[in-house]
Amino acid sequence: DVKVTQSSRYLVKRTGEKVFLECVQDMDHENMFWYRQDPGLGLRLIYFSYDVKMKEKGDIPEGYSVSREKKERFSLILESASTNQTSMYLCASRGGANVLTFGAGSRLTVL
Amino acid sequence: TQLLEQSPQFLSIQEGENLTVYCNSSSVFSSLQWYRQEPGEGPVLLVTVVTGGEVKKLKRLTFQFGDARKDSSLHITAAQPGDTGLYLCAGDGGNYQLIWGAGTKLIIKP
Repeated sequence: DVKVTQSSRYLVKRTGEKVFLECVQDMDHENMFWYRQDPGLGLRLIYFSYDVKMKEKGDIPEGYSVSREKKERFSLILESASTNQTSMYLCASRGGANVLTFGAGSRLTVL
Repeated sequence: TQLLEQSPQFLSIQEGENLTVYCNSSSVFSSLQWYRQEPGEGPVLLVTVVTGGEVKKLKRLTFQFGDARKDSSLHITAAQPGDTGLYLCAGDGGNYQLIWGAGTKLIIKP
């Protein structure tokens, strides 16, 4: 069974802290994505990566960066967390026919 | 900019009733996907529709892609409490990115 694993399910951080969200997939997929999900806004793309060390900005990249050093791992970094980054963060990996497999999500609260 | 408008945003009905969720756009999509997301989990793919006019059935769920490939609907017959969740549509507009609807939060009351 294919899997996308987000290691941190719930995080509480303070304003200004650096935050790392890790995502690992076991499907050998080249493409990986980070979305944030807020009620009534659907899924908004932050960054995606189409290969190791390659990244592209999505619709809302401001305040975020990403790292893809290995094919299976895609990390989202908040350099200095702010309260408006409180959200659910979803990682996904893309297989054939543009179908996404999602992780369970990381719910981040910034105080 | 491609947009996908999903309606209704929220729906609460009794077990056994029927319902329809809509996704509409002015853009043409090469395919459209429907996902369901349960609380505390990520979205899971239900179905992909590709051909204009296509109808796919998944037990009590019927998915339809519009003839012009600009809209889609999800119809649930005799809804069950297990159908409760957030339903998301996503259109493939090309460029390897999906265009997402805002979601329909569905609650089925026993």
